[in-house]
Amino acid sequence: NAGVTQTPKFRVLKTGQSMTLLCAQDMNHEYMYWYRQDPGMGLRLIHYSVGEGTTAKGEVPDGYNVSRLKKQNFLLGLESAAPSQTSVYFCASSFSRGIQETQYFGPGTRLLVL
Amino acid sequence: AQSVAQPEDQVNVAEGNPLTVKCTYSVSGNPYLFWYVQYPNRGLQFLLKYITGDNLVKGSYGFEAEFNKSQTSFHLKKPSALVSDSALYFCAVRDRGGASSNTGKLIFGQGTTLQVKP
Repeated sequence: NAGVTQTPKFRVLKTGQSMTLLCAQDMNHEYMYWYRQDPGMGLRLIHYSVGEGTTAKGEVPDGYNVSRLKKQNFLLGLESAAPSQTSVYFCASSFSRGIQETQYFGPGTRLLVL
Repeated sequence: AQSVAQPEDQVNVAEGNPLTVKCTYSVSGNPYLFWYVQYPNRGLQFLLKYITGDNLVKGSYGFEAEFNKSQTSFHLKKPSALVSDSALYFCAVRDRGGASSNTGKLIFGQGTTLQVKP
């Protein structure tokens, strides 16, 4: 099992450019999450999905869109990148949202917006 | 609202010595607590979790954590530290908001950097 994978690992964008981050999991998990990690602010939830075809907003959704067309994939899109979106992005998945369930994380994508 | 706190930004330990990384929690109902580790330029890796039962939980890489209900703590421990244990450690609890607002997200402490010196 590969677990949770993310592509790309690193990307540099210019302000206004768009890109899509891909997250894939092979654990048949229903729930998937996108977090961003910033110094001094810990990890914050951007969007999440409770199953194929569903998405919902997290704490900091502005400037991002997501799609979950297939159960194993969760895409995060930036339509018009801004320097404030420079961050490390982590995808995570879990079997359910149960408070006992472990979330498993991908290796992260480092994004630099100039 | 539930929260976790890690009172130390950094912990320094000599290799071979025991280590403790502290975490305290505030949750309603039964606490279910997690520890994750983040090595430099890597993602978060699950170490262990407390669900119920034995207060001493054993996890990956020789780590264990002690749950103490009276002190509302869940400290991470290892009997003999390795230089390779140097990393950022997070304590976490899953969101347990109301039925309509429960995202299931993880609520993290601010993280503790562990430095193990040779």
